[in-house]
Amino acid sequence: NAGVTQTPKFRVLKTGQSMTLLCAQDMNHEYMYWYRQDPGMGLRLIHYSVGEGTTAKGEVPDGYNVSRLKKQNFLLGLESAAPSQTSVYFCASSYGVDIYNEQFFGPGTRLTVL
Amino acid sequence: AQKITQTQPGMFVQEKEAVTLDCTYDTSDQSYGLFWYKQPSSGEMIFLIYQGSYDEQNATEGRYSLNFQKARKSANLVISASQLGDSAMYFCAMSGTSYGKLTFGQGTILTVHP
Repeated sequence: NAGVTQTPKFRVLKTGQSMTLLCAQDMNHEYMYWYRQDPGMGLRLIHYSVGEGTTAKGEVPDGYNVSRLKKQNFLLGLESAAPSQTSVYFCASSYGVDIYNEQFFGPGTRLTVL
Repeated sequence: AQKITQTQPGMFVQEKEAVTLDCTYDTSDQSYGLFWYKQPSSGEMIFLIYQGSYDEQNATEGRYSLNFQKARKSANLVISASQLGDSAMYFCAMSGTSYGKLTFGQGTILTVHP
C-alpha cells in the first residue's frame, strides 16, 4: 500500500519547455488535488478532480492543465513553463465531500524553471 | 470564500514545554472542518488533528490538542511536552462544502530548543 506517489521528485526545466507530473494513489479515492507550495503562501489549489474523467479549476489554475483518465491517476501538465512556476507541487487524494475530508499527500515534486 | 490566517511566522519553544500555534478562520459555510498538518524539513505533509464545526469537545490526539473557539473563529493547535522532533512547519487548513477542498494558512515554523 504505497498511498500517494508522485513522479518525478525533482525536475529542472528551461523557460518554454513542457512537462507532465504524475500522481498515483492506491486507496480508491474519488477526489484528487494538485497544490503548489511557495514560501510564505502556504499551499494553493491548482486543479482538482471529483472523479474519473472530471476536472475543475482551483485557486491558481493559469498555466496548468490536468487530466484524470483513470481513477487512480491525476496528471498535471505545464505546456510552456515559466520561472513563476518554480515551486513545490503536491498531489493529494481523499474519500469524498464530507467536511471530514482528510487529504493524503504525496511526497512532493520540486520544480525549477530557469 | 474561506480564509485561514496564521499570524505567527515563527515560534520557539523549549523542549518539554507546551506551545500554542494560532489559527483564525473565516467562512460562510455552516458546516466546516479544521485540520492541522505538520511539514518537517523532509517535505512531506503529515496529518495531525481534525475538528468539526459541530463537535462540542475539543479534539485531542496524543500530545496534540485543538483549542476550538467557534465564536472567535479560532482553532489553535496546542502541543504539550514539546520534543526536538516537533521542529517543523505547521499548517492550519479548513474544509467546507465545496468538493472537499482544503484552504491552507501560510504556516508557522516551530523550532524546539534543547
